[in-house]
Amino acid sequence: QQPVQSPQAVILREGEDAVINCSSSKALYSVHWYRQKHGEAPVFLMILLKGGEQKGHDKISASFNEKKQQSSLYLTASQLSYSGTYFCGTEIKAAGNKLTFGGGTRVLVKP
Amino acid sequence: DGGITQSPKYLFRKEGQNVTLSCEQNLNHDAMYWYRQDPGQGLRLIYYSQIVNDFQKGDIAEGYSVSREKKESFPLTVTSAQKNPTAFYLCASSINPTGLNTEAFFGQGTRLTVV
Repeated sequence: QQPVQSPQAVILREGEDAVINCSSSKALYSVHWYRQKHGEAPVFLMILLKGGEQKGHDKISASFNEKKQQSSLYLTASQLSYSGTYFCGTEIKAAGNKLTFGGGTRVLVKP
Repeated sequence: DGGITQSPKYLFRKEGQNVTLSCEQNLNHDAMYWYRQDPGQGLRLIYYSQIVNDFQKGDIAEGYSVSREKKESFPLTVTSAQKNPTAFYLCASSINPTGLNTEAFFGQGTRLTVV
């Protein structure tokens, strides 16, 4: 029931863009996105609740395609501070308040 | 300040011993979760609780036990039955018990090492 994330890792130059994908085999209530810096707790970025919904946080935005059970996180004009591991979390319609996470995508932004 | 507190930050355990990790929150959240994170890996759900005196197994519950006697506390016991317990353990909470999708707040984690 865990969502699948891709790619597993990405290396960017400052100012470049990247897309991280998250897909589920089950129908979703919602998709969460978090970022974790090394040795720290994950920090909430955004949550998407409805199909087709898109949200943004600074130059990080996300979309949710409920039909395809997929979400994508867009890192635009990346900054050094964007480095970290990004996790998508999903709540499945059949599983109540059970929040499960993907394997993570490691992002490294270089100067 | 409201938040979620895990203790201790580092924990060493001898093989064959049970150990309990503490998780306390003063956010008045109903839902609480325990996750395990191995190096370079994602977060795997161990147990979760939607309400006091109730909890459900996650994806990797074997070798672990929990209790939820108080709303603010959700301790995790790593038993001797857990064959590979060395990992980083994260506790989280969210306000809503009804599956209506609110963000999860994480504690700073406990790094458990079996020696």
